[in-house]
Amino acid sequence: QSVLTQPPSVSGAPGQRVTFSCTGSSSNIGAGYDVHWYQQLPGIAPKLLIYANSNRPSGVPDRFSGSKSGTSASLAISGLQAEDEADYYCQSYDISLSGSVFGTGTKVTVL
Amino acid sequence: QVQLQESGPGLVKPSQTLSLTCTVSGGSISSADYYWSWIRQPPGKGLEWIGYIYYSGSTYYNPSLKSRVTISVDTSKNQFSLKLSSVTAADTAVYYCARSDLIKGGFDYWGQGTLVTVSS
Repeated sequence: QSVLTQPPSVSGAPGQRVTFSCTGSSSNIGAGYDVHWYQQLPGIAPKLLIYANSNRPSGVPDRFSGSKSGTSASLAISGLQAEDEADYYCQSYDISLSGSVFGTGTKVTVL
Repeated sequence: QVQLQESGPGLVKPSQTLSLTCTVSGGSISSADYYWSWIRQPPGKGLEWIGYIYYSGSTYYNPSLKSRVTISVDTSKNQFSLKLSSVTAADTAVYYCARSDLIKGGFDYWGQGTLVTVSS
């Protein structure tokens, strides 16, 4: 029932930069609600990676960056490392559902 | 350091009620700055927000689950709980409790998650 769409997978070589999108609608991202990003390593709870579109919590490397424009948001990982191989989810608020919504998830593979 | 820990049965029979509790340590559940949430993840699938509760008891539920969900809070024990009724195999998932920061947004602290299997 995800209303935020992400590409299923992206890949890149170590050291490269990868970016991927989170596409919503006028009832969530396009309505001005913030987008947050999570990293989920296999078998572990998700970890907040980016909050309020582009802010990094303490301890998150500056290789991770987020942006938002219109009805979409993007996450970029620069200087890709093997430890970045994980699933990534975006999340926002949807006014028509009156609650939080998550993206479909993107699996990042380091070649 | 805030910590959240889920507890409850790992196996529930179909048509019965799933009950989980989240115990919060290192911080007060009575803070006006946070919502307290339940989120689930079926095996091999994505995340689904179930609902959240404010320390005052105000609740907000996912419309797709609203008819079966109850979230409650016990400030004296620094705990909040989830009840999901009439469960089916589709409710088999890892259930997480998490804290949502009202100012910054996002779910900033998560429990480790607990797998609940619905099976006879």
